[in-house]
Amino acid sequence: DIQMTQSPSSLSASVGDRVTITCRASQGIRNDLGWYQQKPGKALKRLIYAASSLQSGVPSRFSGSGSGTEFTLTISSLQPEDFATYYCLQHNTYPRTFGQGTKVEIK
Amino acid sequence: QVHLVESGGGVVQPGKSLRLSCAASGFNFRDYGMHWVRQAPGKGLEWVAVISDDGRTQYYADSMKGRFTISRDNSKNMLYLQMNSLRAEDTAVYFCAKEDTVLIPDHWGQGILVTVSS
Repeated sequence: DIQMTQSPSSLSASVGDRVTITCRASQGIRNDLGWYQQKPGKALKRLIYAASSLQSGVPSRFSGSGSGTEFTLTISSLQPEDFATYYCLQHNTYPRTFGQGTKVEIK
Repeated sequence: QVHLVESGGGVVQPGKSLRLSCAASGFNFRDYGMHWVRQAPGKGLEWVAVISDDGRTQYYADSMKGRFTISRDNSKNMLYLQMNSLRAEDTAVYFCAKEDTVLIPDHWGQGILVTVSS
């Protein structure tokens, strides 16, 4: 199975900060990676698919990059509504595997 | 608008079985693969299983292979997860999710809690 190692597990940031979250795959997965946002009491939301494609309706401050084994999710200017937990998910092989999650908290 | 509603959760004793259901609406259900994903209390997301649009192909996470069975009824727009030989570590919120052409979830239900406890 492909292991996804996500870092950091949590971070504190202020509104307006640039935030970067990283996922590393245990083997190459081309660009087969998605990013999700989870907020308490709300349905999970896909932000990015195929490593860098922005999901329709997602603000352009979110961006994804990377291929092979290293991927990043960047929030260019953190907004109050972005405080949440973020997960990566590889879609290269089965079983699908998630990263451990990154909780973005208010500084 | 895609709408996914899980049901069938609750408290079950270790070793027992439970079947979760997911009612789908707002899209052509028979055209899309469907996933189950779970989240133990205070933990991260764990992918459980996927079933193809026609129901012929399923994949499972290693820890659930042989105990869980994913199935669907395209005539009723329903997805199911049959869970057998349940363990305390299966306690989690279970989400159903629709996939798109990229073969990962693009829409999710709100989840249903399963508690395995004596």
